[in-house]
Amino acid sequence: DGGITQSPKYLFRKEGQNVTLSCEQNLNHDAMYWYRQDPGQGLRLIYYSQIVNDFQKGDIAEGYSVSREKKESFPLTVTSAQKNPTAFYLCASSSAGNTNEKLFFGSGTQLSVL
Amino acid sequence: GENVEQHPSTLSVQEGDSAVIKCTYSDSASNYFPWYKQELGKGPQLIIDIRSNVGEKKDQRIAVTLNKTAKHFSLHITETQPEDSAVYFCAANDYKLSFGAGTTVTVRA
Repeated sequence: DGGITQSPKYLFRKEGQNVTLSCEQNLNHDAMYWYRQDPGQGLRLIYYSQIVNDFQKGDIAEGYSVSREKKESFPLTVTSAQKNPTAFYLCASSSAGNTNEKLFFGSGTQLSVL
Repeated sequence: GENVEQHPSTLSVQEGDSAVIKCTYSDSASNYFPWYKQELGKGPQLIIDIRSNVGEKKDQRIAVTLNKTAKHFSLHITETQPEDSAVYFCAANDYKLSFGAGTTVTVRA
């Protein structure tokens, strides 16, 4: 079955630690996105990538980093510079030609601070 | 940038009744308006979308209407069922998607 796989489902971060969230898709989509979801708020865009080896900052990129070395993979690193990392993180993808349209989302990763 | 406001934040309806969620947007350049449904512990799923050159779109029990002049669009769910209970997000797209804060819909049996 085609889809987007995010792992792990739950992740805990210690003070000063970097953590990496995994996102893999087998939909052959060119564009991939990372969103942050906080309770009672809409989804906010962290980073997006429209093609391999290229990515752009979204609205809340500070304290995060990404890479796009393969079409299928778009990992997100939450660095120690992100002072309020506790949130639900969602990865999404869409096919070329309709960027931002018909996004497919993964099941998310809940990140908490110990 | 685009600003999307969504109302109400919570909505409780009796099974079989209709549910309506309204969103307003600020950027007249926005041309694509999707609605996503998010069930507990899962990622959002696209349920219906509409482009700015269309005033209304329907898919079985759900419909979306768009008023470009007033810059608002609405989701209508008819004959609600328990499986319609979820959080619904609207969004507007100018050069990127901007999401509303979400509406938690509860369908009472």
